[in-house]
Amino acid sequence: KQEVTQIPAALSVPEGENLVLNCSFTDSAIYNLQWFRQDPGKGLTSLLLIQSSQREQTSGRLNASLDKSSGRSTLYIAASQPGDSATYLCAVNYGGSQGNLIFGKGTKLSVKP
Amino acid sequence: GAGVSQSPSNKVTEKGKDVELRCDPISGHTALYWYRQRLGQGLEFLIYFQGNSAPDKSGLPSDRFSAERTGESVSTLTIQRTQQEDSAVYLCASSLDGGANTEAFFGQGTRLTVV
Repeated sequence: KQEVTQIPAALSVPEGENLVLNCSFTDSAIYNLQWFRQDPGKGLTSLLLIQSSQREQTSGRLNASLDKSSGRSTLYIAASQPGDSATYLCAVNYGGSQGNLIFGKGTKLSVKP
Repeated sequence: GAGVSQSPSNKVTEKGKDVELRCDPISGHTALYWYRQRLGQGLEFLIYFQGNSAPDKSGLPSDRFSAERTGESVSTLTIQRTQQEDSAVYLCASSLDGGANTEAFFGQGTRLTVV
């Protein structure tokens, strides 16, 4: 069974810190991996998409890496801000006729001013 | 439209009633997903549509749940004889296709409360 695990489940940091969120998956035959953010009571906002052939993607203060062989991805947030407080979700796309995004349970991030 | 649109945004229904939730994907997106998110929980996959292929219904929790999609446009998720455990946010997403290069974009969800 394909599973996606995110660690830690919750994280609280002071403003300005750099931080890393972790995502691991059991089956390395992925199409892509996507990081989302979810604010309370809202839908999901796509942050970064990493294709299976890529090793990392960057957008502003965010950097996501992918290591398929070890079944891991990390989301690095530089110089965290209170506005970064949200739940961060990792989703793995296995594609094909049974393609669906398999989500981790998320990491709830709180950045304290 | 510019993004994935879901309606209604909120729905309160009595136990035993049927409900229909609607999703309008981004124009041109062939792949469409439905997910459910119960309070404090992760996202549960429900159903996936890809073009004209048979949908992947493997996530539907019971035969009270069904979904349809008209071509490559709007989709409706129907829950018959609703139960209190159906209370959740129902999220719809679409992507250009289900392939390696495409991002999934989510709607804001429909919050269903069964009383």
